[in-house]
Amino acid sequence: AQSVTQLGSHVSVSEGALVLLRCNYSSSVPPYLFWYVQYPNQGLQLLLKYTSAATLVKGINGFEAEFKKSETSFHLTKPSAHMSDAAEYFCAVSDPDTGANSKLTFGKGITLSVRP
Amino acid sequence: NAGVMQNPRHLVRRRGQEARLRCSPMKGHSHVYWYRQLPEEGLKFMVYLQKENIIDESGMPKERFSAEFPKEGPSILRIQQVVRGDSAAYFCASSPTRTGVQPQHFGDGTRLSIL
Repeated sequence: AQSVTQLGSHVSVSEGALVLLRCNYSSSVPPYLFWYVQYPNQGLQLLLKYTSAATLVKGINGFEAEFKKSETSFHLTKPSAHMSDAAEYFCAVSDPDTGANSKLTFGKGITLSVRP
Repeated sequence: NAGVMQNPRHLVRRRGQEARLRCSPMKGHSHVYWYRQLPEEGLKFMVYLQKENIIDESGMPKERFSAEFPKEGPSILRIQQVVRGDSAAYFCASSPTRTGVQPQHFGDGTRLSIL
């Protein structure tokens, strides 16, 4: 069974500082990986995805993530935090070899706070 | 382009009543997924449906919960005889193909409160 680990439940950074949100996965095969963002009382919005192409993936709003197979990691970064980045962030995986069974497995999420 | 539409946004039920949650996928999407988000937890997969078929219901509780995606109309998640523990946000997602190639697009969810 696949699993996703997001260390820590809350990260606080100053506006303009580097954002680093960690995600590690366990999977028997290299999975597809996703980062989603959730604003209060809203659904999840896709930030970026990794589907076995380039290991460095660029997403929306200046975010990017790097797939490292040797570390089974897919950490999310942004060089300079903005107040509007305050939200909850979820890492998710799906197994490309499961055919029609294409459910996403989510981490518990990380709440990002941005200090002025 | 309309996104994934869920209604109602908020639903209040008393213990023992039935809850019906509706999801209209994005235009052209025939794959629907339901997830449940409990407080301070990530989303947990419940069920995956294609038109008129349940593909994977491994995350559905064995009793009281059912889902359908008819040929015409929205997908319905039905919870019978609700209990306090059913209070959660329920999200629907859709994709045109199985996930991995095309990402799932999420609706804004239905927040179910049980009195």
